[in-house]
Amino acid sequence: SQQGEEDPQALSIQEGENATMNCSYKTSINNLQWYRQNSGRGLVHLILIRSNEREKHSGRLRVTLDTSKKSSSLLITASRAADTASYFCATDADGGFKTIFGAGTRLFVKA
Amino acid sequence: GAGVSQSPSNKVTEKGKDVELRCDPISGHTALYWYRQSLGQGLEFLIYFQGNSAPDKSGLPSDRFSAERTGGSVSTLTIQRTQQEDSAVYLCASSLSLAKNIQYFGAGTRLSVL
Repeated sequence: SQQGEEDPQALSIQEGENATMNCSYKTSINNLQWYRQNSGRGLVHLILIRSNEREKHSGRLRVTLDTSKKSSSLLITASRAADTASYFCATDADGGFKTIFGAGTRLFVKA
Repeated sequence: GAGVSQSPSNKVTEKGKDVELRCDPISGHTALYWYRQSLGQGLEFLIYFQGNSAPDKSGLPSDRFSAERTGGSVSTLTIQRTQQEDSAVYLCASSLSLAKNIQYFGAGTRLSVL
């Protein structure tokens, strides 16, 4: 079964709106990462948050982590059409080195 | 600098044939990962290598799948006697080390088994 599960599976918003995606995981972790994928090809790393951090920002991205609930959220503010992509969370299952990806959230930003 | 390079970008093969997929990681990255992604799905972990240590093969789906990494750099994923269910995009990633595991991905190889 997947370590990370994203919610929602798909999201469609208007340009300028905020987009929020959630990720839940099952085991303890050292860190959680978010990646973006365009057109079903290579993924691009967005942000990493460590288990002892609660919130992290990078440009228009804001990530939160709640280890008690085993969940994380990715907020993209003031979305742009270019943000249209699939977004995946990834965790190091049980604090090991194997990286487990969720099924992803497909974001569509309408211009 | 150069990113992770995968070849071929697309591969069409007949059921039962063997295929080899190649990955050139970023220079200096000691960790290398292989994933499989079926259409519209997430990434399925296959295997990782770290330096000269024994690889973690726990994600390989069957004994038809194997991978090697020569000289701590280039890696080859081999699928023997391909089946139609092997059709997917195979992604390779590298990172500085397993501990510093921000991964840099190649563009993938799209494998179609007819």
